Amino acid sequence: GENVEQHPSTLSVQEGDSAVIKCTYSDSASNYFPWYKQELGKRPQLIIDIRSNVGEKKDQRIAVTLNKTAKHFSLHITETQPEDSAVYFCAASPGGNKLVFGAGTILRVKS
Amino acid sequence: SQTIHQWPATLVQPVGSPLSLECTVEGTSNPNLYWYRQAAGRGLQLLFYSVGIGQISSEVPQNLSASRPQDRQFILSSKKLLLSDSGFYLCAWSVRLAGTGELFFGEGSRLTVL
Repeated sequence: GENVEQHPSTLSVQEGDSAVIKCTYSDSASNYFPWYKQELGKRPQLIIDIRSNVGEKKDQRIAVTLNKTAKHFSLHITETQPEDSAVYFCAASPGGNKLVFGAGTILRVKS
Repeated sequence: SQTIHQWPATLVQPVGSPLSLECTVEGTSNPNLYWYRQAAGRGLQLLFYSVGIGQISSEVPQNLSASRPQDRQFILSSKKLLLSDSGFYLCAWSVRLAGTGELFFGEGSRLTVL
């Protein structure tokens, strides 16, 4: 089955700097790659997603890139702010409405 | 608008006791339904998902089971809890599309097995 690995597990950045979180997946049939943000004590919420027919997608300060050949995708956050501090999860869907998550990255933005 | 309700929010159970967590979705029809477990400091582990009444896909062959007796109801059960079953359980739903879409999570149920 699909296996998603996520790095780093913890990331600390200075306010205003960029943050990059990387994920790899194992199933070449996977075609949908969302990113979720979970603030402390809250439920995960979708922040951006990308499908396999697109290489990059951007939404204001966040962007996701996908390399299907290498089977990896990344989340980029620019001009980080304290409210970006949270746990970020990547995920991959090998089809059939199944969604497999990575282990998560704790992002701390220091002001 | 669509809402998802999950209960109980917190429970403490002894080892060997049964478990029943319930999840219902309102404001939509034919949703895909999911149960995930989030252990402390860990990611979201997919336990079960369902694309229709009575249709359950199991990802974790342990002492947990799931049922979908109605279109918008998803139940997670165990006959005898283990210590390792402790964790934060999240129910989620998504619109049934040709492909996987956005998941909307419930507020979660925190289970402590003693």
